[in-house]
Amino acid sequence: LAKTTQPISMDSYEGQEVNITCSHNNIATNDYITWYQQFPSQGPRFIIQGYKTKVTNEVASLFIPADRKSSTLSLPRVSLSDTAVYYCLVGAYNNDMRFGAGTRLTVKP
Amino acid sequence: NAGVTQTPKFQVLKTGQSMTLQCAQDMNHNSMYWYRQDPGMGLRLIYYSASEGTTDKGEVPNGYNVSRLNKREFSLRLESAAPSQTSVYFCASSEGGHGGSKYEQYFGPGTRLTVT
Repeated sequence: LAKTTQPISMDSYEGQEVNITCSHNNIATNDYITWYQQFPSQGPRFIIQGYKTKVTNEVASLFIPADRKSSTLSLPRVSLSDTAVYYCLVGAYNNDMRFGAGTRLTVKP
Repeated sequence: NAGVTQTPKFQVLKTGQSMTLQCAQDMNHNSMYWYRQDPGMGLRLIYYSASEGTTDKGEVPNGYNVSRLNKREFSLRLESAAPSQTSVYFCASSEGGHGGSKYEQYFGPGTRLTVT
């Protein structure tokens, strides 16, 4: 199982771009990189998934370098409602992906 | 379209009591999962069901049993509850997840269980 390392916490201000980097040095060839967001007292919510290069959707971008040993979740122009815990998962199947402690993002006014 | 529903929302058990947590999804998903989340920690996979009729152990299966009743429903049973099982339990489902391309998991609202 690929182990992931991400910062425990980050602070930002409204309107700023936030980049959360996840390290996964032993990622396997078949592994995907998936990010989830979790608000207090709720289940996680899927944000984005990628395999290589860059993926963008309506809420975030995911940057993956050629060696795939890390990935960066980019949230453009965050608001107070983006305060949450963000999880980086790596795996080929859902049953072998592991949720670590995540990154607690606090957005301040 | 309710997504993933879980019952009950809250439960308090005494040590040694048993109970079943219910989960249902209306998205016609093949795969379903049970996780537990302890305070300040990430989710840990208890059991999963890749498709109707199959179940497999996850990271922390001890003390739990599951039943994939049909494609919609996946239940989690605690036969003899222990204080260490105090946690929030989340059920999730995905279209694929076992060799498929649709990994996105949809989570239910959770069941907050306290064992005294």
